[in-house]
Amino acid sequence: DVKVTQSSRYLVKRTGEKVFLECVQDMDHENMFWYRQDPGLGLRLIYFSYDVKMKEKGDIPEGYSVSREKKERFSLILESASTNQTSMYLCASSSGGTGSNEQFFGPGTRLTVL
Amino acid sequence: AQKITQTQPGMFVQEKEAVTLDCTYDTSDQSYGLFWYKQPSSGEMIFLIYQGSYDEQNATEGRYSLNFQKARKSANLVISASQLGDSAMYFCAMRGHNFNKFYFGSGTKLNVKP
Repeated sequence: DVKVTQSSRYLVKRTGEKVFLECVQDMDHENMFWYRQDPGLGLRLIYFSYDVKMKEKGDIPEGYSVSREKKERFSLILESASTNQTSMYLCASSSGGTGSNEQFFGPGTRLTVL
Repeated sequence: AQKITQTQPGMFVQEKEAVTLDCTYDTSDQSYGLFWYKQPSSGEMIFLIYQGSYDEQNATEGRYSLNFQKARKSANLVISASQLGDSAMYFCAMRGHNFNKFYFGSGTKLNVKP
């Protein structure tokens, strides 16, 4: 059974803390993505990576950074967490190319910043 | 610019009836893919159906079908014979010329009434 796993389902952090969200996929996918999901706004892309050590900014990269040192692992980093980063964070992966290469999602991490 | 629009924030449908969830998209790409995902209250994102821009026939997967009208740039999801378990958030998404990147709509919350 193919899987995308995220390190935590729920996380509570304090303003100013450095936060790491980890995502691991076992499908040998080239592409990995980080989204945040907020009510009424759908999924907004933060960053994505199409290869090891390669990354591209999505639509809302401010306040976030990412790391992809191994193909199966993609980390999202909040350098100094703020209350407006309280959200649901979803990781996804997909294979490259055309066709019905859908994204596979992790279970999500609900982050609360106090 | 790539954009997905879902104009129905919430919908109700009677159990066993059919329901159509609207999705329109904006793209200048000739080649693109359209996807629908379901997100139950548990939070996981479940892939439902895919339509390629060059596919001449509407995609179907069990009780799900995609009403693809290319000239109108619409990709509506039709669920036949609704079940209580269909109550969930539904997201329309598009993958454009940059095959790595997906664009999501804001979602439609479907409630199936017994």
